[in-house]
Amino acid sequence: GNSVTQMEGPVTLSEEAFLTINCTYTATGYPSLFWYVQYPGEGLQLLLKATKADDKGSNKGFEATYRKETTSFHLEKGSVQVSDSAVYFCALKWGTYKYIFGTGTRLKVLA
Amino acid sequence: EAGVVQSPRYKIIEKKQPVAFWCNPISGHNTLYWYLQNLGQGPELLIRYENEEAVDDSQLPKDRFSAERLKGVDSTLKIQPAELGDSAVYLCASSFSSEDNEQFFGPGTRLTVL
Repeated sequence: GNSVTQMEGPVTLSEEAFLTINCTYTATGYPSLFWYVQYPGEGLQLLLKATKADDKGSNKGFEATYRKETTSFHLEKGSVQVSDSAVYFCALKWGTYKYIFGTGTRLKVLA
Repeated sequence: EAGVVQSPRYKIIEKKQPVAFWCNPISGHNTLYWYLQNLGQGPELLIRYENEEAVDDSQLPKDRFSAERLKGVDSTLKIQPAELGDSAVYLCASSFSSEDNEQFFGPGTRLTVL
């Protein structure tokens, strides 16, 4: 069946460090891929998305590229800020509405 | 524009008691989702509504869980009776349609069953 695997956290970085959060997936067909972010006390928010192979999603300095050959959608940011501290969820959508979310990766950015 | 509203934000009950959660989606959003999020896990779909119709409730434990969206706007999720294992965060999300690639999530209701 379809699945999403993302790296376990917490990931702790100093401000301005480079961020990578790994996400790999298993799916039949051609799913859409997403990164959601959850700040403390808030609901999940869509961060970026990619709907087909080789698409790059980007938002707020974050990027992720849909790599079909490696079934990956790794999240990257060149210089993290304290305000980026949150939990990040990789998600896969197939069909009209079926979503699978990863287990989440907590990011802590230290000043 | 208001986001997805959920209440209560926190609920503590004893096992075997009933509990209900309320969700008001973003105005104009026809699709409403209820998700269960266990600690350290991602959200898992419980039920999806298209307007007032529950079009996917295959993951809803129907022996104790029920949901309704009578007028196709706000929705209520109920558990009766609650069990210890129901302690989790219950998330509501909405989108304009099922085909829409963005869901908007509420802050969730954290349920603790003692």
